Amino acid sequence: QLHLQESGPGLVKPSETLSLTCTVSGGSILTPYYWGWIRQPPGKGLEWIGSIYYSGITYYNQSLKSRVTISVDTSKMHFSVNLRSVTAADTAIYYCARQHQGVAARPSWFDPWGQGIVVTVSS
Amino acid sequence: SFVLTQPPSVSVAPGKTARITCGGSNIGGKSVHWYQRKSGQAPVVVFYSDPDRPSGIPERFSVSNSGNTATLTISRVEAGDEADFYCQVWDSGDDNVVFGGGTKLTVL
Repeated sequence: QLHLQESGPGLVKPSETLSLTCTVSGGSILTPYYWGWIRQPPGKGLEWIGSIYYSGITYYNQSLKSRVTISVDTSKMHFSVNLRSVTAADTAIYYCARQHQGVAARPSWFDPWGQGIVVTVSS
Repeated sequence: SFVLTQPPSVSVAPGKTARITCGGSNIGGKSVHWYQRKSGQAPVVVFYSDPDRPSGIPERFSVSNSGNTATLTISRVEAGDEADFYCQVWDSGDDNVVFGGGTKLTVL
């Protein structure tokens, strides 16, 4: 059964870069799926950050696009997100998830999800 | 950009029917996915591409989607159904994943 696990620092200073990794186990990352990042700020709903196909094709949330880079390392069976110039507004639970393809091979629904990692932006 | 609107909360007594709506312009023409997030847990998909229910999701859960509203219906609600529910679509106009704001289901 596919399992995803987020890892990275739980505390990041303002203006620095938040870097998280999602390790995939129980299956291959070299499959026709996207791999996505989603976050949930305290007291708020889910917000999509971006998704990457195993070949490297990326889609980003337009509101975060200028600060986000998602990459995939197929040899290490993981994918990562870098979010630059963070502020307190980037404090959230960060989830990674496998994303299925939908119409015209575009990203669709997410399943399964990792357990999530709490990241706090504070000095 | 495409917007999905959900009621912040829905309350229902055990054994009754809960309906959670997800509004969006011509959402009936899109594939809508639904997630359940119980307290302290990661979200779980309960419906994908509208009518498809993953194995393990009770048949008490059903969906409909027409016009400007998609609806998740939970029949014979149980205490264990209490959670936050989110709808989600792919907005092909902006190449964006869009989530609704979420609905907190409270079982009275």
